[in-house]
Amino acid sequence: DAGVTQSPTHLIKTRGQQVTLRCSPKSGHDTVSWYQQALGQGPQFIFQYYEEEERQRGNFPDRFSGHQFPNYSSELNVNALLLGDSALYLCASGLAGGETQYFGPGTRLLVL
Amino acid sequence: AQSVTQPDIHITVSEGASLELRCNYSYGATPYLFWYVQSPGQGLQLLLKYFSGDTLVQGIKGFEAEFKRSQSSFNLRKPSVHWSDAAEYFCAVGPKAAGNKLTFGGGTRVLVKP
Repeated sequence: DAGVTQSPTHLIKTRGQQVTLRCSPKSGHDTVSWYQQALGQGPQFIFQYYEEEERQRGNFPDRFSGHQFPNYSSELNVNALLLGDSALYLCASGLAGGETQYFGPGTRLLVL
Repeated sequence: AQSVTQPDIHITVSEGASLELRCNYSYGATPYLFWYVQSPGQGLQLLLKYFSGDTLVQGIKGFEAEFKRSQSSFNLRKPSVHWSDAAEYFCAVGPKAAGNKLTFGGGTRVLVKP
């Protein structure tokens, strides 16, 4: 049983560019959440998707957007990249109404 | 607003010694509580969780945690650490209501001396 998978593993972009990160949830899970983990800090909640809609959102600007597909996989898009967007982006999946989330290995984004 | 505090940024422990990591939370109601571990360059692995019932919970890799409502704490312990326990440990809280937003502490980095 595959766990949560994310692609790509690493990414380098320049300021002002746009980036798309991808996540496939654990088999049987229907919710996907995205977190940003800056170096030396704990993860911060960006947003959660369920039934192809954004259900909750953390304190992140509109430059951060997402999508969930009918197969429950998800994308995180970040526009107009800033140096401060450099971080490890973690995807977590779970069951709607459930309590536990399982995390993927993350995508490390470096903005130059 | 909810918050999680992990007072110890770094802890160094000798292999075979006991380990305790502190976690204090602020939350409007009784939350769900979690401990995750992150090895260098890796994602987060769930060690254990507390929802209700027995306040001492057992997790994987020989870890346990105790929920103390009066102290708003959820400290993680291991009786005897192994070199492979060197990692960063995160405490997190989440709502009992539907929804899975987790609020994380800043983490505690554990170094294991031979």
